[in-house]
Formats: sequence, C-alpha cells, structure tokens
Amino acid sequence: RKEVEQDPGPFNVPEGATVAFNCTYSNSASQSFFWYRQDCRKEPKLLMSVYSSGNEDGRFTAQLNRASQYISLLIRDSKLSDSATYLCVVTGTGGFKTIFGAGTRLFVKA
Amino acid sequence: DTGVSQDPRHKITKRGQNVTFRCDPISEHNRLYWYRQTLGQGPEFLTYFQNEAQLEKSRLLSDRFSAERPKGSFSTLEIQRTEQGDSAMYLCASSPGTSVTDTQYFGPGTRLTVL
Repeated sequence: RKEVEQDPGPFNVPEGATVAFNCTYSNSASQSFFWYRQDCRKEPKLLMSVYSSGNEDGRFTAQLNRASQYISLLIRDSKLSDSATYLCVVTGTGGFKTIFGAGTRLFVKA
Repeated sequence: DTGVSQDPRHKITKRGQNVTFRCDPISEHNRLYWYRQTLGQGPEFLTYFQNEAQLEKSRLLSDRFSAERPKGSFSTLEIQRTEQGDSAMYLCASSPGTSVTDTQYFGPGTRLTVL
C-alpha cells in the first residue's frame, strides 16, 4: 500500500464547477499535511496547508480527518487557470521526511 | 531572484557515466531536500539535510547516489554509473527548518536523460 494515495483522475470539469479531491495516508503518526499545485513541466508550489479544523483560502477549502487518515481539497467556481496537477503531501512521518501522492490532474474547460 | 536554483537545468549522459547536480537553496534556509520525479508521478523523497547534516535517506537511494551539503548552504547530488532508469527530473527544495509545518520551496529541477 502506498503511503499517500490520491484519486487517480484526470478530472475534466467545466468552468464554474465545484470539484473535490481526496487523499488518504497510511501513517497515523504523520504530523503535517499540505496541498501543492504543479503546472505542466514546472516545479510544485504550495497551495495550502491543511489543519484539523479545516481551512479556506478563497475558492479553496481543505479538510483533514485524522481519525480516518483522510485529506480533501474542494475547489469552487473552477477557473481555466486551475488546470494543473494537485499533489497531496504528508510530512513528519519520521523526522522531516516528506511523502507526495502521485497527484490528481485537473482540466477545467471553457 | 532569491528562490531555489538548480544547475544544470538539463543533462544528457550516456549509461555508465557519473553526473553531479547542484542546488542553491533560499538564503538562510536550514533544511534542504532532494526528490526525484518521473512522468505521471509525484516527487519521490530521496534525502534531506538539516544544515550540513544528512538526516535521512530513502531506501530507494542506492549506493550509486550520494548527496552532500558541506557548509550547510548549497548541496550536490551525485549519481555514479548512471542507468537508464535514473532518467527523471531531480528536484531540490528548501525550507526555513524551524518547524515540521514549514513550506518547502522548490527549484526548477534538473532533467536527466540517460541514453
């Protein structure tokens, strides 16, 4: 079993749609959780951190369920510019080792 | 630009040759990571440094791979006797190193092609 697993995608959605990505992690000792965004042939960039209380940044909402070892990302009112790969990231599983999921590809169409 | 830089951006080599990549982190960032990424996959953890100390290495990192950060600033990743399976994007990231919740800032990567 992979340490971090994500929806395989791709997700093809029209502009304005709401889309949700799911992620599960295997190590209950994990301490920190993030969503990164990676554009085609570019480096990953932090989208947002994920907290147990849930957090929101504009159109993006992230949730963490430690009991179920589950992380989610909700994107509302999708824009063409949201087209990218979204990477679920877990760290603190042992020291500061960081584990990335395989990513979920999102295509937003006009 | 004070972001993470990597050199070279592209490297083409023949199987069996040694290659070395350099990463310059953001100034005063104490933690430095190396990752490998292949098409359709997320970055795969290789190793990380806290200042000059290499604190963890992935079991995926064979004896042919070695990384250094001699003065706690820039880092090098060397691959000896390259194999075609080493073809990938090699990414470096740095973070302040003050907390497990630190954001990692990535460099543009070095794309390695082994012929």
